[in-house]
Amino acid sequence: GIQVEQSPPDLILQEGANSTLRCNFSDSVNNLQWFHQNPWGQLINLFYIPSGTKQNGRLSATTVATERYSLLYISSSQTTDSGVYFCAVERRDTGNQFYFGTGTSLTVIP
Amino acid sequence: NAGVTQTPKFQVLKTGQSMTLQCAQDMNHNSMYWYRQDPGMGLRLIYYSASEGTTDKGEVPNGYNVSRLNKREFSLRLESAAPSQTSVYFCASRMSMSGEQFFGPGTRLTVL
Repeated sequence: GIQVEQSPPDLILQEGANSTLRCNFSDSVNNLQWFHQNPWGQLINLFYIPSGTKQNGRLSATTVATERYSLLYISSSQTTDSGVYFCAVERRDTGNQFYFGTGTSLTVIP
Repeated sequence: NAGVTQTPKFQVLKTGQSMTLQCAQDMNHNSMYWYRQDPGMGLRLIYYSASEGTTDKGEVPNGYNVSRLNKREFSLRLESAAPSQTSVYFCASRMSMSGEQFFGPGTRLTVL
């Protein structure tokens, strides 16, 4: 399978601060998604971003597929941003399986 | 649209008991997935169904069986539950074997 490493594993921010989360993967991929798992356990789609850059409000993501990494930017963080952020990658010739990283646990304090 | 729904939300089993986790989606998606999430870890794929009538093993299929009942429904069965199967189980779907996945709310299973 594909190895997916996320960093940092844990992050504590003051409300209003900015942060960058990183996802490295061990092989070329066809698909990449970022998810936010809220404190109630629900997985929320943030970005579907196999390559390029996308923005959605205070969040943006960039995937550089040729260098095998993706970045998730959170600006002006809010307490509701707390939770775990996962990236998941897929390579079609490995059987259409998504491989998840172990996540970045983010805590935003007021 | 309800999206992806899962039942039950919580379940406690004794070792050796069997049960079926249900998943349904109303987005007319072709592909469906079952994952498990253990504490402090990401999700691992148990089984998936690329389209109605097909199922394939994922990363951790041992101890599980699946049925793609129709296009909407994909069930996961534990024939003889073991404590190692204590986990949170997520179902997901997507339009085809590309594109983004959408997840259900999860089922928290404890095996004593």
